Amino acid sequence: QSALTQPASVSGSPGQSITISCTGTSSDVGGYNYVSWYQQHPGKAPKLMIYDVSNRPSGVSNRFSGSKSGNTASLTISGLQAEDEADYYCSSYTSSSTLEAYVFGTGTKVTVL
Amino acid sequence: EVQLVQSGAEVKKPGESLKISCKGSGYSFTSYWIGWVRQMPGKGLEWMGIIYPGDSDTRYSPSFQGQVTISADKSISTAYLQWSSLKASDTAMYYCAGITKSNAFDIWGQGTMVTVSS
Repeated sequence: QSALTQPASVSGSPGQSITISCTGTSSDVGGYNYVSWYQQHPGKAPKLMIYDVSNRPSGVSNRFSGSKSGNTASLTISGLQAEDEADYYCSSYTSSSTLEAYVFGTGTKVTVL
Repeated sequence: EVQLVQSGAEVKKPGESLKISCKGSGYSFTSYWIGWVRQMPGKGLEWMGIIYPGDSDTRYSPSFQGQVTISADKSISTAYLQWSSLKASDTAMYYCAGITKSNAFDIWGQGTMVTVSS
């Protein structure tokens, strides 16, 4: 399966909102409501930020929100803060007659200007 | 505290074998899938495969099928990732991650750095 497509970089000023897209196919993003988003700071393990398209785990700021339309999912960070500067990856469950799997996105570097 | 603790960094030569581990605690290890994720230096996340420790049901990414073996010992709440013959291209950080929330990896190990060099 191919990696989901994300923009390589997105930037914004403190307090602004940014949106990261994640484009797949009808076999993954478009076919299931199992899109998740991960934040990874340099040298650290990834951290789950959103699951099942739009649900936030306990402890994750409500400045992070997720949505999906067709084969494209999105992560929006509102009220951008310096600590949000990190790499972000989307992921989706995918299934076919011969395979059950997960696929990650290509990753997006978020820069806070 | 719910956590996954991975074994330490490894430095190996090409052709050598290796088995790294991921020990779960603070939750029912046998009831949730555990996955392995590769991150090559400066690159993104790649899903390698998952295992259900309760019955050792295992699924592999086509990219990693036949290249690695995923296993688990439920008696000691530990999952494993192993190679029979390492290559330089296996140099990467390897993370284990647990799925306790729907189909998302919500618990992550700290990572195991594997370096393969002659």
